[in-house]
Amino acid sequence: QAQLVESGGGVVQPGGSLRLSCAASGFIFNSYAIYWVRQAPGKGLEWVAVVAYDGNSKYYSDSVKGRFTVSRDRNTVDLEMKSLRSEDMGVYYCAKGSSDCTSCNEWFDLWGQGTLVTVS
Amino acid sequence: SYVLTQPPSVSVAPGQTAILTCGGDNIGSKSVQWYQQKPGQAPVLVVYDDNDRPSGIPERISGANSGYTATLTISGVEAGDEADYYCQVWDGDTDHQVFGPGTTVSVL
Repeated sequence: QAQLVESGGGVVQPGGSLRLSCAASGFIFNSYAIYWVRQAPGKGLEWVAVVAYDGNSKYYSDSVKGRFTVSRDRNTVDLEMKSLRSEDMGVYYCAKGSSDCTSCNEWFDLWGQGTLVTVS
Repeated sequence: SYVLTQPPSVSVAPGQTAILTCGGDNIGSKSVQWYQQKPGQAPVLVVYDDNDRPSGIPERISGANSGYTATLTISGVEAGDEADYYCQVWDGDTDHQVFGPGTTVSVL
């Protein structure tokens, strides 16, 4: 059964750093892009970053570009977050893309349960 | 950057039809997805590529997309349909994924 499991969330001070991980299983990991999507408390979904199937293409939202770095290796995708701000607080989900993000015109067909990041 | 608009809330009686809208500039030229999110849970894909349903999603949930508005229709609404619904597209000009602000569906 395909599954994504996030870890690494926690409490961090403003300006601090945190590394989230997304462990994938049950599908051919190297064939699909993996996305990070976050949700601030009581707010909507916000796309954060994507790493293509081969790790060579990476895209970031304007709000995190230059502060966050996404990478993938084996069956794990990491999101390195630096210079954290209060507005970065929320639940971070990793999601599987429906394709490899050669063109990222795709959808998110599998989601993890999320990991909570608190900046305080 | 590309912007999607959704009404904040829709209320519907059980058994009736809920129509959720997602507006965007020439959205009819894009592939639109819809996600359902219940409190405390991760989002679930319910419609992709305008009008296709993943396996396990009932036929009473359907999508359409034309011009400046995409729609998600939930027929025969049930209490279990109460959730937030988000539309999503890819902005090819920026390689950014874009979510709408979401619509909360309440079943009266």
